[in-house]
Amino acid sequence: DADVTQTPRNRITKTGKRIMLECSQTKGHDRMYWYRQDPGLGLRLIYYSFDVKDINKGEISDGYSVSRQAQAKFSLSLESAIPNQTALYFCATSDPGQGTDTQYFGPGTRLTVL
Amino acid sequence: DAKTTQPPSMDCAEGRAANLPCNHSTISGNEYVYWYRQIHSQGPQYIIHGLKNNETNEMASLIITEDRKSSTLILPHATLRDTAVYYCIVRVRGNQAGTALIFGKGTTLSVSS
Repeated sequence: DADVTQTPRNRITKTGKRIMLECSQTKGHDRMYWYRQDPGLGLRLIYYSFDVKDINKGEISDGYSVSRQAQAKFSLSLESAIPNQTALYFCATSDPGQGTDTQYFGPGTRLTVL
Repeated sequence: DAKTTQPPSMDCAEGRAANLPCNHSTISGNEYVYWYRQIHSQGPQYIIHGLKNNETNEMASLIITEDRKSSTLILPHATLRDTAVYYCIVRVRGNQAGTALIFGKGTTLSVSS
């Protein structure tokens, strides 16, 4: 969905490096999420934010941190990347005030840690 | 623990209806059934959701059994572009305590000509 963008789309880095993945949305949604997906598996929640002042850990937050700079921006950081963080990362947004409470996903960032 | 059970894979001929089953025998009264799909490695896409009544939109129909323990997603005229992994998810809509979508392994639907 073009309303949710992620940068970069692909990134190769080395063990120990600090990495930031960025997510921007034009949907005006308060809620934003970061998920990771490993090959052959479903998505797992890393962090989520209900609004600019609210940050919550998800199922697999260890090794990650986030920053909600504005309603439209939610960044995910890997302070010291390790190989098992190699995965596909998705950002999503939602507005529970809407009837469907649908989550809208970005195109994903493919991260490889060597 | 997984809340839903889906077959790992299904095949469908182009132009035919694709019926994707989902078992959610432990569903609670306030939980909805949502369906998403993921094409290749793109971001998941919302398809449809329902509570207890059957639902239809421009993409698909959702049939929920009367006891709500299972449901079926119907793509009425499957096309090659419907080839994807389909996820059946149960969750409370708009709940305050965390709104993660719990993705299982889904059903890989392969549509062939």
